[in-house]
Amino acid sequence: AQSVTQLDSQVPVFEEAPVELRCNYSSSVSVYLFWYVQYPNQGLQLLLKYLSGSTLVKGINGFEAEFNKSQTSFHLRKPSVHISDTAEYFCAVSRIQGAQKLVFGQGTRLTINP
Amino acid sequence: ETGVTQTPRHLVMGMTNKKSLKCEQHLGHNAMYWYKQSAKKPLELMFVYNFKEQTENNSVPSRFSPECPNSSHLFLHLHTLQPEDSALYLCASSRGTDPNEKLFFGSGTQLSVL
Repeated sequence: AQSVTQLDSQVPVFEEAPVELRCNYSSSVSVYLFWYVQYPNQGLQLLLKYLSGSTLVKGINGFEAEFNKSQTSFHLRKPSVHISDTAEYFCAVSRIQGAQKLVFGQGTRLTINP
Repeated sequence: ETGVTQTPRHLVMGMTNKKSLKCEQHLGHNAMYWYKQSAKKPLELMFVYNFKEQTENNSVPSRFSPECPNSSHLFLHLHTLQPEDSALYLCASSRGTDPNEKLFFGSGTQLSVL
């Protein structure tokens, strides 16, 4: 079975500051890794995903994430945040064999202060 | 607009009521999902349908009854719910059920059981 831990439930940052949202996972098999974002009163949208190849993955809205197999981590970063980045961010994994079965973390609420 | 529409947006029901949640996708996808999002908990996969056939039931109580009449529509029929069933119910769709597929989510139905 797979599990995902998002170490911070809330992260407050000032506008234009850098941010890192942490994600660690546990799995006995190889997995794909995802970050989804949920803006207020909306469903989830895919930010980026890691399937294979380069461990640094770039996504939408200036976000990127780095896969670290030895540390089983997939942290999300942005060098300069905007008010519009205020949202809840979810890390998720899916085993690469078998059908789609995403396992999500608890989410991190990112609050941007002016 | 993600192409996945859920109705109603909000629903309040008593424990003896019967109600249904509706999801419709306009993306030509073949797979549809129900997820439950409770406060302070990770998203929980409930059901998966692929080409109208149920392929996953994640040990969901029988008071939740899904229906998928075609690849574009998904329903969740509710009866004799409990207060702990209060949550945001999210519908999602994807092209197929490969584990690397991107999920497209609706905005959800916020359910309150009194």
